[in-house]
Amino acid sequence: NAGVTQTPKFQVLKTGQSMTLQCAQDMNHEYMSWYRQDPGMGLRLIHYSVGAGITDQGEVPNGYNVSRSTTEDFPLRLLSAAPSQTSVYFCASSPRGGPLYGYTFGSGTRLTVV
Amino acid sequence: GDSVTQMEGPVTLSEEAFLTINCTYTATGYPSLFWYVQYPGEGLQLLLKATKADDKGSNKGFEATYRKETTSFHLEKGSVQVSDSAVYFCALSDGGYQKVTFGTGTKLQVIP
Repeated sequence: NAGVTQTPKFQVLKTGQSMTLQCAQDMNHEYMSWYRQDPGMGLRLIHYSVGAGITDQGEVPNGYNVSRSTTEDFPLRLLSAAPSQTSVYFCASSPRGGPLYGYTFGSGTRLTVV
Repeated sequence: GDSVTQMEGPVTLSEEAFLTINCTYTATGYPSLFWYVQYPGEGLQLLLKATKADDKGSNKGFEATYRKETTSFHLEKGSVQVSDSAVYFCALSDGGYQKVTFGTGTKLQVIP
């Protein structure tokens, strides 16, 4: 039972490059989300999805895109990387009803933009 | 809006000491409350939760009681171990799909 799998674990990008952070879950969870974690700021929601084909913005969506073509996958795209996007990114999922029931988190992607 | 306030860390304790990490919240409705734990290099893991006033969440020797009158959800453990060293996050959810608010985390270091 893999839970939530994120790839890659580490990534270094140059300013202006684009990339996709992958997230997959095998628990048939309907709700998936992306957070970024920055020192002293806790976790901030970037985008979320309540089911396949449905996505919405969170607290800090600028510079990021998402799509949800299947229940299992929820990739996060950085369109043109900026140093301000240096952070640790976490994908999380929860069953129908959303995070009220508690999240399952992936192990994170540490991204550095130079 | 909703907010969660945690005590500043780091907290350093000797093994077998009693642990309290304070958490207070502000919410407009009747939120569910959570404690998550993050071990070094890993993602957050749900430690315990409580969904209504006076509920007590418990797991792995940790406990927290939902106190509506004091808007608090303090995390306690009677005897900490070195393996409990981690960052602990208090969080609340008001039931909306995007409405999960996390505290900034409290780092706990337990020394032998």
